Parts: sequence; structure tokens; C-alpha cells
Amino acid sequence: KNQVEQSPQSLIILEGKNCTLQCNYTVSPFSNLRWYKQDTGRGPVSLTIMTFSENTKSNGRYTATLDADTKQSSLHITASQLSDSASYICVVSPLGGYNKLIFGAGTRLAVHP
Amino acid sequence: NAGVTQTPKFRILKIGQSMTLQCTQDMNHNYMYWYRQDPGMGLKLIYYSVGAGITDKGEVPNGYNVSRSTTEDFPLRLELAAPSQTSVYFCASIPTGSYEQYFGPGTRLTVT
Repeated sequence: KNQVEQSPQSLIILEGKNCTLQCNYTVSPFSNLRWYKQDTGRGPVSLTIMTFSENTKSNGRYTATLDADTKQSSLHITASQLSDSASYICVVSPLGGYNKLIFGAGTRLAVHP
Repeated sequence: NAGVTQTPKFRILKIGQSMTLQCTQDMNHNYMYWYRQDPGMGLKLIYYSVGAGITDKGEVPNGYNVSRSTTEDFPLRLELAAPSQTSVYFCASIPTGSYEQYFGPGTRLTVT
């Protein structure tokens, strides 16, 4: 069964620190892997999208990595800010269309001053 | 562009009532989607559309209906609300030839 699992479920860090969120998936074959940021009470917003042939992609202080061999991805946040407090969702798109996107449950990140 | 808009933001329904969740996008996207998000779970696809006049079921379509008479609008209909439909509903769209998905702000629905 195609699954996307994220860890940890929740994380608290101090402002200015770095952190790394993990995503393991069993989807195969896949077209692309995305990371979304979802603020409380808002819809998800795309941070990065990587195709199966890409290893890393950055968006400002956010850097996503992808290891298609081990079926793992990570999202690294550098020099965290209070505004980074949100849920971060890993999404895998199998081959065959966007109607088959598989969403992880997300990691809830809290950045404290 | 306003992007993807959803109304209402919040709604409380009694069991057995009906309602329509509205979704509109002004970006001329062909692909539109309805998801529900339950606490601690990933988003689940309810229905999707690849263009005006074309709709299809997603992973959890039971208890819902959709229509797509125009490119811009993709309403979601709940005919007989049940407590299991308490959730946050998100509408999203994708332009043809792109991976980028755009979400609306969501509708929080409670059925009691």
C-alpha cells in the first residue's frame, strides 16, 4: 500500500536554531515529492517540489533533500524564525496523475523565542 | 488574482441537513480538487475535476457530490450531513502542465 510517513509528529525548537524533518514513503514509482507549509487555519502552501531525478532543492531557508533509493526525504530549516511555526506536510505524487497525491500527516513545528 | 477562494469559512450543520461548499479560482486552472483534513491525518481526496463538465471520485467520495459547469467554480455538495463529515475541507487547483498546487483557505464544518 502506498504510504507517506513523517517524523517527528511534533517538534519544539528555539528561535535561531536549525531543524530537520523526515519523510519516508513507500510510493513507487513516483513522479515528484513536495513539501508544503500549513499555517494554523490556512491552506497548505508549496515550499519545494522535486522530481524523482532531483536530490536537493532550496527555497530560502528551506532545503529539501530526496534519496529515491532509500525512499526518504528531509526538510531542513535553517536559522528558524517564529513565523516558521506551522505544520509541514510531505506529499508524494505517484505516476499516473495528480488525483493520486498521497499526503503525510505532517510534522507540527513550534518555534519558541 | 484572488487565487482559490472558499466560502463559508465556518459552518455548523445538524445531522441530516444539506449544504454546498463553494470553491472558485480565477487563475483559469483546469484541474480542481476537494480534500478533507481530519486531525492527525493526511489530506484525503474526495472528488476531482480535470476540466469543465468532467468530474471523478477520489478516495473518500461517499456522502458528497460535485459539479463543474465552469472552469472557475467547483462546488461540493453534502446531501445528508453526518457527524463523520465533521472536518476541514480544502479546495485546490493545478494549472495544466504544472506540478504546482494552489489551495484555498479551507472551510471548517461541524455536524452535530
